[in-house]
Amino acid sequence: SSELTQDPAVSVALGQTVTITCQGDSLRTYYATWYQQKPGQAPVLVIYGKNNRPSGIPDRFSGSSSGNTASLTITGAQAEDEADYYCNSRDSSGNHWVFGGGTQLTVL
Amino acid sequence: QVQLQESGPGLVKPSETLSLTCTVSGGSTSSYYWSWIRQPPGKGLEWIGYMYYSGSTNYNPSLKSRLTISVDTSKNQFSLKLKSVTAADTAVYYCARVRRDGYNLAGSYYYYYYMDVWGKGTTVTVSS
Repeated sequence: SSELTQDPAVSVALGQTVTITCQGDSLRTYYATWYQQKPGQAPVLVIYGKNNRPSGIPDRFSGSSSGNTASLTITGAQAEDEADYYCNSRDSSGNHWVFGGGTQLTVL
Repeated sequence: QVQLQESGPGLVKPSETLSLTCTVSGGSTSSYYWSWIRQPPGKGLEWIGYMYYSGSTNYNPSLKSRLTISVDTSKNQFSLKLKSVTAADTAVYYCARVRRDGYNLAGSYYYYYYMDVWGKGTTVTVSS
């Protein structure tokens, strides 16, 4: 099991807001990074640092953190946001990296 | 625009060594960190390890005894070697460029890393 815990699946109605969470003790100290992966494709960076979006990522994607939980929020989800989302941060030792198990997002 | 391309054998026999290369185009390996990640069929992402161009490495503890990551700045490539493979090493293997930044928290300075450019991935099957 991963040191970062994500819900396996989440769904959202088209145009609504959805929050995907990632829990882990290391998140009290370290930022989570979020990646989006569509079937058959490589992951894509969507959020890094406190709440930074790479060029080309829509501003409907945002990140936040509280305690041991990091969150990725999509405000006004679109059909093209349907994908798997992975959080990534340090393990409990702080010395190595770990991915969460991933959350499959369905846009209804 | 930086692009990464993985290459290597798609089939490796059990107990042999898996060797992959990531070629960097549109940029230089003589800076940044460089990482490998894998994804077994139908499963999630697993971090393998990363290397700084100067030579320092950080490996997944579960793979460390079998793993070597190296960089060849003259060829603008970095590579992965995983010894004594089993069927559990069957996966899509990705290479990625790693950026690092830092922040202050409660009087201490911390680094965070993120992988901003990924290769398309290469499938490796371990089978006799």
